[in-house]
This record gives sequence, structure tokens and C-alpha cells, in this order.
Amino acid sequence: QKEVEQDPGPLSVPEGAIVSLNCTYSNSAFQYFMWYRQYSRKGPELLMYTYSSGNKEDGRFTAQVDKSSKYISLFIRDSQPSDSATYLCAMSTYSGGGADGLTFGKGTHLIIQP
Amino acid sequence: DTAVSQTPKYLVTQMGNDKSIKCEQNLGHDTMYWYKQDSKKFLKIMFSYNNKELIINETVPNRFSPKSPDKAHLNLHINSLELGDSAVYFCASSSRDTQYFGPGTRLTVL
Repeated sequence: QKEVEQDPGPLSVPEGAIVSLNCTYSNSAFQYFMWYRQYSRKGPELLMYTYSSGNKEDGRFTAQVDKSSKYISLFIRDSQPSDSATYLCAMSTYSGGGADGLTFGKGTHLIIQP
Repeated sequence: DTAVSQTPKYLVTQMGNDKSIKCEQNLGHDTMYWYKQDSKKFLKIMFSYNNKELIINETVPNRFSPKSPDKAHLNLHINSLELGDSAVYFCASSSRDTQYFGPGTRLTVL
């Protein structure tokens, strides 16, 4: 079993829809959870950062962490064509990644249809 | 100003060659990393460096060697390149909360 599972998609939705992206993980030591967005042929760009369980909102983006279920989600409201990208969940035991670095899911390829 | 930069952006070379990728960060961070992203977009850590000291080396062949001349730079040297080394290599640096990634170096071994 991989440490972090993420459906690779592609996930295709119409513009304006609410998008839900998810990851599950097996390592209960993970405390820090991140979502990165990666456009084609670019580096990953940090979208959201959450510590432990709970919700965090930033504009159209909401990140949720449920440590009891080992499940994290990213919601995108009012999705735009510019949101089309690969979304990577990442997590770590230590703040900033520490010595172990970040453990990533495989990424979900999201397509927003105009 | 770019926070984390890498050179070159593209690298095409023959099997058996030795090559280097350079990384620089201007964020003042203490810890830097190298990640490898394979053809299926899976990002996996290779090395981390803290204050010029190697902290972890995830089952990476010893043909790969990170070199840090100072806190702002972490270069990746690869000897005797193999076809399977073809991938995108990302440098990252770590703040207190998270990591910032460079634009990547696309390595193609022919």
C-alpha cells in the first residue's frame, strides 16, 4: 500500500462547478498537509497549507483534513478554466518537511471546460 | 526575483555521460531538497540538505550526489547516466511551514 493515495483522473467539470479533490494516507505520523498546483512543464506551486485536523479557507479554495479517517480534501468553488492543472496533495511529519521532506500523492489532473 | 531557480531547464544527453544541475534559492532557507518526478508525474524526494549537511538519502543510486557550496546553493551531480534517469528534477527549499519549488530540469537520456 502506497503511503499517499490520490486518484490521478483526469477529472473534467464545467466552468463554475464545485470541484472536490481527495487524498488518503496511511502514515498516522503525518501532521502537516499541503495542496500544490502544477501547470504543465512548471514547478509545483503551494496552494494551501494545514496543520492537523480542521478546515482552512482561502478565497475559492477550502482545504479539509480529517486525521481520524486519514483523509484530506481540497474544494474549489466557482471553478475557472485557469484552474485546469494537476493538483498534488503532500504531507509531512515535520513542519516544512524537515529531514524527511514531503510525501506526495500522484496528483489529479483537473480540466475545467469553458 | 525568482525564489528558487534551476539551470538548465532542459538537458539532453547520452547514456554514460556525467551531468550536473544547479539550484539556487534567495529565500534564506536553511534546508534544500532534490525531488524526482517520473513520467507519471509522481514526485519523490531524493535528498535533503540542512546547512550544507546531507540529512537523508532515500534509496537513490550513488551515481547521484548532491553538492552544496553554500547555504543558498544545492547542485545535483549525476554520473554514468542511464535511460531510467530520464525525468524532471525539482529543487526545493523549506520555510518554517512548507516548501517552495524551482521550475524543474527536464533530463532526457538517449
